[in-house]
Amino acid sequence: GIQVEQSPPDLILQEGANSTLRCNFSDSVNNLQWFHQNPWGQLINLFYIPSGTKQNGRLSATTVATERYSLLYISSSQTTDSGVYFCAAHDHASGGSYIPTFGRGTSLIVHP
Amino acid sequence: DGGITQSPKYLFRKEGQNVTLSCEQNLNHDAMYWYRQDPGQGLRLIYYSQIVNDFQKGDIAEGYSVSREKKESFPLTVTSAQKNPTAFYLCASRLSQVVSPLHFGNGTRLTVT
Repeated sequence: GIQVEQSPPDLILQEGANSTLRCNFSDSVNNLQWFHQNPWGQLINLFYIPSGTKQNGRLSATTVATERYSLLYISSSQTTDSGVYFCAAHDHASGGSYIPTFGRGTSLIVHP
Repeated sequence: DGGITQSPKYLFRKEGQNVTLSCEQNLNHDAMYWYRQDPGQGLRLIYYSQIVNDFQKGDIAEGYSVSREKKESFPLTVTSAQKNPTAFYLCASRLSQVVSPLHFGNGTRLTVT
């Protein structure tokens, strides 16, 4: 199956700093999704982005499918941005089903 | 409001007992998934189902069982054969006819002692 790698594994920022998280995938995918897992374990959908760039407030994401990577940008970070960020690559499995495969995540801590 | 409901939020069991985790969705999604998350780890796929009365094993299905008798429901049973059942379990769903985003429930934390 497809392999998904995220970097960096850990990131510590001062409030107000900017950051870039990366997601590499080993094969062509049908789509790419970014999630934020908050300290209570909830997985919040941030972006669903097969290609191109999307923005939502201080967050934006870019997927370059031909080069098999996606980037998540966080600008002017806030303490509430802390948590783990996962990317999931949606792969076309046998039988017509789509199986989302997750990376191991980037753990972000934003200090006040 | 549409969503995915997992219950209970916390579950404690003695070793050797089977336990069933509930997952219900009212999003009219066809596909449903169960993932397991261990501390500091990513999500690993246990089972998934594309349609009612059909399901497939994921990467770590050993020691688990599922059923899909209704479109809205996809319960997961953690059997006594699962060697390390203590974990955070997440249920997800999506439309299966088109490539579509995955939506998650809030998870169940299972502790087996």
